[in-house]
Amino acid sequence: QSALTQPASVSGSPGQSITISCTGTTSDVGDYPHVSWYQQHPGKAPKLMIYDVYNRPSGVSDRFSGSKSGNTASLTISGLQAGDEADYYCSSYTSSATLVFGTGTKVTVL
Amino acid sequence: QVQLQESGPGLVKPSETLSLTCTVSGDSITTSYWSWIRQPPGKGLEWIGYIYTSRTTNYNPSLKSRVTISGDTSKNQFSLKLYSVTAADTAVYYCARLSRSAWNPAHFDSWGQGALVTVSS
Repeated sequence: QSALTQPASVSGSPGQSITISCTGTTSDVGDYPHVSWYQQHPGKAPKLMIYDVYNRPSGVSDRFSGSKSGNTASLTISGLQAGDEADYYCSSYTSSATLVFGTGTKVTVL
Repeated sequence: QVQLQESGPGLVKPSETLSLTCTVSGDSITTSYWSWIRQPPGKGLEWIGYIYTSRTTNYNPSLKSRVTISGDTSKNQFSLKLYSVTAADTAVYYCARLSRSAWNPAHFDSWGQGALVTVSS
């Protein structure tokens, strides 16, 4: 299985909104609602931010939102803050009952 | 509040077997999906595999020939064995709970802190 495709980097100024894309195929992102997003700060374990495309776990800021169209899912961070600077990974369930991660996106707050 | 803790050797010789254990508290390994994920230094996340109800397993096709995940219900632990390792297997290895959605294993909602395993002679 191939990794889902994400942009290597995305940047924005404090207060702005940014969007990270996650492109898969009809065997994963396109065919299942099980897309999730993870935030990872340096030296730390990943943290679940969005699950099942657009759901936020308890405690995650509503500045984080998810969506999906066809084979591409997206994570939007609104009101960008310094603490949002991190690596972000998407993940999807696949038709083989496996899981696959995205290539990862480094978010920089200018 | 579920907690996971990886343990095992931090150094493994090439061609040998990497063995890690994840100890779970706050949940039972018999009732959820449990997974291993790894991250080579400076690189992205790679899903390795999962175990469900301590018996059913599924693996990343790229690693399937070299991986075994097993469970020990008496200790509420699950383990990873990766055979015939090379330097390319050097990574931080995470264990995680994989929560279900519509009966499918869907998202990793709790993670261990990670364990760095270096493959070197």
